[in-house]
Amino acid sequence: RKEVEQDPGPFNVPEGATVAFNCTYSNSASQSFFWYRQDCRKEPKLLMSVYSSGNEDGRFTAQLNRASQYISLLIRDSKLSDSATYLCVVNIGTDKLIFGTGTRLQVFP
Amino acid sequence: EAQVTQNPRYLITVTGKKLTVTCSQNMNHEYMSWYRQDPGLGLRQIYYSMNVEVTDKGDVPEGYKVSRKEKRNFPLILESPSPNQTSLYFCASSPTVRGAVDEQYFGPGTRLTVT
Repeated sequence: RKEVEQDPGPFNVPEGATVAFNCTYSNSASQSFFWYRQDCRKEPKLLMSVYSSGNEDGRFTAQLNRASQYISLLIRDSKLSDSATYLCVVNIGTDKLIFGTGTRLQVFP
Repeated sequence: EAQVTQNPRYLITVTGKKLTVTCSQNMNHEYMSWYRQDPGLGLRQIYYSMNVEVTDKGDVPEGYKVSRKEKRNFPLILESPSPNQTSLYFCASSPTVRGAVDEQYFGPGTRLTVT
């Protein structure tokens, strides 16, 4: 089993739609969780950290389910500019972050 | 401006010709790391450094060297590049929180082609 697994997509959604991605992780001791956004051939950029209580930043909501070992990202009212690849990131021990291979989102008019 | 810089951004070279990709950060981060990204494989860690003079292998270290003589710099060295090292390379830095790596800040990437 991979340490971090994501559905590669693509998820093709119309503008204004709500879309959700899940990411599963295998290490039950993981403590740090993040969602990154990566545009084509550009560097990944932090979208949001994921806290145990869940957190929201505008149209984006991230949640953590420790019992089932997955994190989720919900995007409401999708914009064309949300089209990108979304990377799930989980820590392994104190010195490593493992990146998922990403979920591609394409928002169409 | 807080940033991670990499040079060069694009490089085409030939098999066996030694090269160095530089990485520098101005955020006083303890942790620095190198990744390569290939289609379908995601980001794979090559080497990382928790602090000055401390480096460790990541998941794909073969064919690469690094050094961390100063906190801000973390160069990646390919002593004898081969075509299977053709890839997109990212340098990243991170603060540590309670001794653990935290969110990472990435450089703009270096696209390397080895013929």
